Amino acid sequence: KNEVEQSPQNLTAQEGEFITINCSYSVGISALHWLQQHPGGGIVSLFMLSSGKKKHGRLIATINIQEKHSSLHITASHPRDSAVYICAVRSLISSGSARQLTFGSGTQLTVLP
Amino acid sequence: NAGVTQTPKFRILKIGQSMTLQCTQDMNHNYMYWYRQDPGMGLKLIYYSVGAGITDKGEVPNGYNVSRSTTEDFPLRLELAAPSQTSVYFCASRNRDLALEGYTFGSGTRLTVV
Repeated sequence: KNEVEQSPQNLTAQEGEFITINCSYSVGISALHWLQQHPGGGIVSLFMLSSGKKKHGRLIATINIQEKHSSLHITASHPRDSAVYICAVRSLISSGSARQLTFGSGTQLTVLP
Repeated sequence: NAGVTQTPKFRILKIGQSMTLQCTQDMNHNYMYWYRQDPGMGLKLIYYSVGAGITDKGEVPNGYNVSRSTTEDFPLRLELAAPSQTSVYFCASRNRDLALEGYTFGSGTRLTVV
């Protein structure tokens, strides 16, 4: 079983819809990251969170440490939100001092006009 | 405001050839990473470095080598390329400060070994 599971793997939505992408993990973590990978391949860091909720524009990320679960929400979705969204966790027990990340396989989001 | 710069963006290698993927960052980040991304899989860590002169293996280091002679540069060397090394490679960096742990990624190198 992967340490980080994302759902759904693929998601198609109509412009304006509210979108939720889920991430579940099996290990104790010190932080969780949400990343966005553009169709051209570049990866951008969206959020890093260890508790509660963060908001940036139309994006909201929440985390429940007890349930080992995080969600990424997009309000009023737009075609430019089409991308792969990746969840990554930094486990409490990790090799080396650099605190490596474990990545989910990503959620491909397509927003249709 | 360059961030993390990777070159080349695309490359086709023949089996047995060698090449170096370049990665440079201008943010004075201590920590640098090389990942590979295969279809349907999460990014896997190849090598990482916590500072100049210090490197360590990640999950999938076989077939690769790295060096970190300066804070800015973290090249990844492929010796004797194999089809299994066909992948997209990402370099990333971050600050050592745990309160500022956002990662900055390069734009990726798409490598095909034929």
